[in-house]
Amino acid sequence: EVQLVESGGGLVQPGGSLRLSCAASGFTFSRYWMHWVRQTPGKGPEWVSRINHDDGVTRYADSVNGRFTISRDNAKSTLYLQMNSLRAEDTAVYYCARDIWYGSARVFDPWGQGTLVTVSP
Amino acid sequence: QSALTQPASVSGSLGQSITISCTGTSSDVGGNYYVSWYQQHPGKAPKLILYDVSKRPSGVSSRFSGSKSGNTASLTISGLQAEDETDYYCSSYTTGSTVDVLFGGGTKLTVL
Repeated sequence: EVQLVESGGGLVQPGGSLRLSCAASGFTFSRYWMHWVRQTPGKGPEWVSRINHDDGVTRYADSVNGRFTISRDNAKSTLYLQMNSLRAEDTAVYYCARDIWYGSARVFDPWGQGTLVTVSP
Repeated sequence: QSALTQPASVSGSLGQSITISCTGTSSDVGGNYYVSWYQQHPGKAPKLILYDVSKRPSGVSSRFSGSKSGNTASLTISGLQAEDETDYYCSSYTTGSTVDVLFGGGTKLTVL
């Protein structure tokens, strides 16, 4: 079964740091681009970051650029998100998602179950 | 870049059909940039129900269908069932933007 399991969320003070992990299983992790997406209650998802599978090229949303770092360990089939200088507006459920081609189309499938990050004094 | 525009809520009676719209621009929905739809139950991860505008992944009911006209994509659910009552989100990859993918704000479906 293809599965993604996030961990590492929690309560952190503004200005603090947190490192999220996403453990992949059931597929060859090293062959896929991976993304982090976040969602606040009652709102639509917001794309956060992406990392390529082979050359490690990364991309970030403007809202996190310079504060968050995405990385991966293909040997451990694990995706990471290092979050520094956290702000209240970073409070959200963070999901990892696999970027996969279905025929001639790209999709996010599957998503993990999410891990909650709360930034508060 | 702004999120894709969806109605906040729609409703329909059991057995009827509803349509949820998703409006973007020529740089996302209107281009050939892989429009998808996700269903999300409370506290759960989004689940892919349509991709490439109208294709269904294995295991997804044929009651879910999709279409696109110009910069607007649509999700139609026919033969509404009680378990369809939840949130739905559209998404589209983008070009010429600072993000890889845009998502809609979500539509809450109520089955009457």
